[in-house]
Amino acid sequence: AQRVTQPEKLLSVFKGAPVELKCNYSYSGSPELFWYVQYSRQRLQLLLRHISRESIKGFTADLNKGETSFHLKKPFAQEEDSAMYYCALLYNTDKLIFGTGTRLQVFP
Amino acid sequence: NAGVTQTPKFRVLKTGQSMTLLCAQDMNHEYMYWYRQDPGMGLRLIHYSVGEGTTAKGEVPDGYNVSRLKKQNFLLGLESAAPSQTSVYFCASSYSGALKNIQYFGAGTRLSVL
Repeated sequence: AQRVTQPEKLLSVFKGAPVELKCNYSYSGSPELFWYVQYSRQRLQLLLRHISRESIKGFTADLNKGETSFHLKKPFAQEEDSAMYYCALLYNTDKLIFGTGTRLQVFP
Repeated sequence: NAGVTQTPKFRVLKTGQSMTLLCAQDMNHEYMYWYRQDPGMGLRLIHYSVGEGTTAKGEVPDGYNVSRLKKQNFLLGLESAAPSQTSVYFCASSYSGALKNIQYFGAGTRLSVL
């Protein structure tokens, strides 16, 4: 069965430090993965998706099929990056399964 | 442009009561979804719809019903609420085709069942 695992509930870093939010998946088909973000008092919104291969707000994520991972990275964290981050996997062509989320805290 | 609007924002029910949550979107999206979010569980899909007049079950459909009589609205019903349905409910919508998996979310409905 399909599954998305985000092993860290909370990740705390100082401003300027590198960030890596981990996401591992289990899926028998060809994976399509996403990162969604929820800032304080805002709605959940798409941050990036792997097929776009783009950098959004300095974040990147590379799909590693060998390690079944889609980790989210940013070289220098900013305070405004503090939020809840969810990794999501597309399955059966039209449904998303979400991980349990990682709260990122960036201290000044 | 309101995007995805959920009503109500908060609700307290007694066990056995019924209620309907309304989701409305003004983006002419084909797809609409209902999720629930529980502590430590992430978002889980309850039901979804790929177009007006269609509905389908998600991961956790039991105890819920849905209807999509109009393209812009997706209703989630609880016929006989149970404490296990205490949760935060999110509605989302998306286009069909290549953009269908970019989902736009509502602000959520916090439901407590006593």
